[in-house]
Formats: sequence, structure tokens, C-alpha cells
Amino acid sequence: DTGVSQDPRHKITKRGQNVTFRCDPISEHNRLYWYRQTLGQGPEFLTYFQNEAQLEKSRLLSDRFSAERPKGSFSTLEIQRTEQGDSAMYLCASSLGTSGTEAFFGQGTRLTVV
Amino acid sequence: GESVGLHLPTLSVQEGDNSIINCAYSNSASDYFIWYKQESGKGPQFIIDIRSNMDKRQGQRVTVLLNKTVKHLSLQIAATQPGDSAVYFCAEFSTGNQFYFGTGTSLTVIP
Repeated sequence: DTGVSQDPRHKITKRGQNVTFRCDPISEHNRLYWYRQTLGQGPEFLTYFQNEAQLEKSRLLSDRFSAERPKGSFSTLEIQRTEQGDSAMYLCASSLGTSGTEAFFGQGTRLTVV
Repeated sequence: GESVGLHLPTLSVQEGDNSIINCAYSNSASDYFIWYKQESGKGPQFIIDIRSNMDKRQGQRVTVLLNKTVKHLSLQIAATQPGDSAVYFCAEFSTGNQFYFGTGTSLTVIP
């Protein structure tokens, strides 16, 4: 499978715990995005990378959230001290170049904070 | 953030009919407008995009129309099939920026 891969697909965690998600983009894509989606809503932008550089972060990305893309390939999204409001689907997408509107999304990681 | 909204949250059509899904946007500076399809439990799937200097673009069974005067975008699906049942999102994209998505329209195709 050469698409965008996310791991894990599902995560249940207790409030206050830390969680980390991984995204493996399509290999030649230099742009990588993280989005959050709640039921019935469109994906909300969190952050994106151009290669290893994190170019923009949404105001939704509180200081409990951190994302990295250390070698310009895979990316991780960590949430510290999880809250019930963090429960959502976390989507990763990748695209080629700055005008690459054809972003390919992964299947997402569904986080449930109990 | 930007505002991209949809007129109708749900749409039901008979199999074989044409579907029209509408979207309003607010950012005149967007370079591209994109339609995504999302099936249950899956990530959004790119359908078609249109550059801001175009009025119409056609794909396979789909046509996107852009009316910049009223900031309106529509997706037309010809001969709708059961496999077209999904939630459809419009999104806007500015080069060097990121995608902003609307709320979505749930399309149900009745066999």
C-alpha cells in the first residue's frame, strides 16, 4: 500500500494520559498536514510541515499538542495530559509541493478519552 | 479561520438521477477550491479541484462550478450511484497555506 498510513487506527486512553500518533505520508510528498475531525464536522486544520519544517500551527493546537517531522518523512502528533474534549478523529494528509491540492488522507486515528 | 459553509446538511437522490451539492465560501483570496468525498470510517478522498480563475471543470461523472461573484461552489454528480453515498466536503486552499473545510453534506442514494 503506497497511500498515507496512520497508526494506531484506534486509541482509548484515560484522561490525563499522553498519547502519540504516527503518520507515514506518501514517500515523495514533501507536505504533511494534521487535521482533527469530530462527528458531523469537517476536518479542522491543526498544523502542517514542508519537509521537516513546521510552517504553521492552528490556534486549536494548544501547548499540550506537539507535532514533529524529524527527517521530513514520517510525522508524530503527541497529546499530553489528554482531556475528554480531545476525543476525535485525527487525520493526516500529504501532498506534493505548495500547489498540490490533491492531498491524500490517511484513514485516521480515532482517539477516545475516557 | 476561514469560513466555508454548506447550504444543506443532507441530500437524498434516486439512483440514476443527478446530484447537486452546494457550498458557500468567504475567502476571495483562495487559489483553489476542492471537493472531497468521505465514506464512513475513512479519510477524505480527493474528487476534483478548480482553480479560482476558472468557472467550470469536469471530471468523470462530476462537474464543479465556481461562481466568484456570489462566492458559491457546486458539485454535480451525474447518474448518481449507490457508491456515491458519502459525506461531501468543499474545501478552499491558498497556495502556501492549508485547506479549510466546510461542514459537509451527507448524500444518500436510494436504489
